[in-house]
Amino acid sequence: AQTVTQSQPEMSVQEAETVTLSCTYDTSENNYYLFWYKQPPSRQMILVIRQEAYKQQNATENRFSVNFQKAAKSFSLKISDSQLGDTAMYFCAFMKHRGADGLTFGKGTHLIIQP
Amino acid sequence: DTGVSQDPRHKITKRGQNVTFRCDPISEHNRLYWYRQTLGQGPEFLTYFQNEAQLEKSRLLSDRFSAERPKGSFSTLEIQRTEQGDSAMYLCASSPGEGSYEQYFGPGTRLTVT
Repeated sequence: AQTVTQSQPEMSVQEAETVTLSCTYDTSENNYYLFWYKQPPSRQMILVIRQEAYKQQNATENRFSVNFQKAAKSFSLKISDSQLGDTAMYFCAFMKHRGADGLTFGKGTHLIIQP
Repeated sequence: DTGVSQDPRHKITKRGQNVTFRCDPISEHNRLYWYRQTLGQGPEFLTYFQNEAQLEKSRLLSDRFSAERPKGSFSTLEIQRTEQGDSAMYLCASSPGEGSYEQYFGPGTRLTVT
């Protein structure tokens, strides 16, 4: 079974700062996908970024980028130029290739962006 | 834009009653997932459909839980004889399928069992 660990229950940074959220995972699979999802207060889960394990290049989406270290089983999310709207729970998630077992989520990191 | 929709958004029921939730996936998404999320936790996978076939159901929490997707479009999740421990947010997600595996979530149904 896969496990996903997010070791930072809560983080707080000032607006416009850069913040990095940590995620480690454990799996015996070689082919899989990793995701970061954002869940704003009382709102639905939004996909932030995805990474295929077979790709060495780190994924980027505008202000969001990942540092994927396959050997270390680490998948951190960097948010640049943080904005007040980035305040949310952030979940790291793992999925085996083809997705039949669904997503395995970490417990989340509550990110607070201070004005 | 028709994202994933779920109905109802909130459900309050008394212990022992049956409840049914509906999920309408994004049009033409052939994969549909159900998750449960309790306070302070990440979502927990329950079951998965590819078109109308339920390909994974061993993670349903007990035999009181069942799900259907009769025509490969919308899906229902039923909980029979609800218990207070069933109180949670029930999330549905859909995915395009082969070659594109990201899941798009609906707003969820919050169940409160009194």
